[in-house]
Amino acid sequence: GAGVSQSPSNKVTEKGKDVELRCDPISGHTALYWYRQSLGQGLEFLIYFQGNSAPDKSGLPSDRFSAERTGGSVSTLTIQRTQQEDSAVYLCASSLDRGGRTTYEQYFGPGTRLTVT
Amino acid sequence: AQSVTQLGSHVSVSEGALVLLRCNYSSSVPPYLFWYVQYPNQGLQLLLKYTTGATLVKGINGFEAEFKKSETSFHLTKPSAHMSDAAEYFCAVRGTGANSKLTFGKGITLSVRP
Repeated sequence: GAGVSQSPSNKVTEKGKDVELRCDPISGHTALYWYRQSLGQGLEFLIYFQGNSAPDKSGLPSDRFSAERTGGSVSTLTIQRTQQEDSAVYLCASSLDRGGRTTYEQYFGPGTRLTVT
Repeated sequence: AQSVTQLGSHVSVSEGALVLLRCNYSSSVPPYLFWYVQYPNQGLQLLLKYTTGATLVKGINGFEAEFKKSETSFHLTKPSAHMSDAAEYFCAVRGTGANSKLTFGKGITLSVRP
């Protein structure tokens, strides 16, 4: 079946602009995660959605970052007033975390490469 | 809290040689452990995982890893390297509770010499 998809694959924006990154998880997966991959920081957790529960936002680096997940499926990560240090690859992952059907592994999308100039 | 240590950033082996990529973890709860591979300009692909049960786990592309609780290790091995194994490899840990986020090591780049 289809995997996790992300759009756009590349985004170049000017400092101070807002950007939206989209993630389509695997159909039926209950959990959705955003991570950031950068040269200096490696792979960092940003935010986690599980079903209808309140999201775990503990990894968001500043209040310029926000995310939502509509209808338990598609998610959008928004970065307001972008800064050069926001340049990174933003990865989305989904997993099936549902009681006895939990599989634990996360399936990753190809990522969005964000460049802030 | 969890953490992962992958010593060294780069490993180079000859084609046909043994591949050994080291991973040590720290976890306050029984860990679930993963190895992912990333090819250039692609996302992460799961190689293998340990959750419970057998401590020697086999994954895709001939890779395997052994969970050693006493050594807090989860090293990745492959008996014979292939040119197509050249990629970046990440070890990751997650807790067994409600917090299911992955904590990654810094990654190791594997080069394979002809």
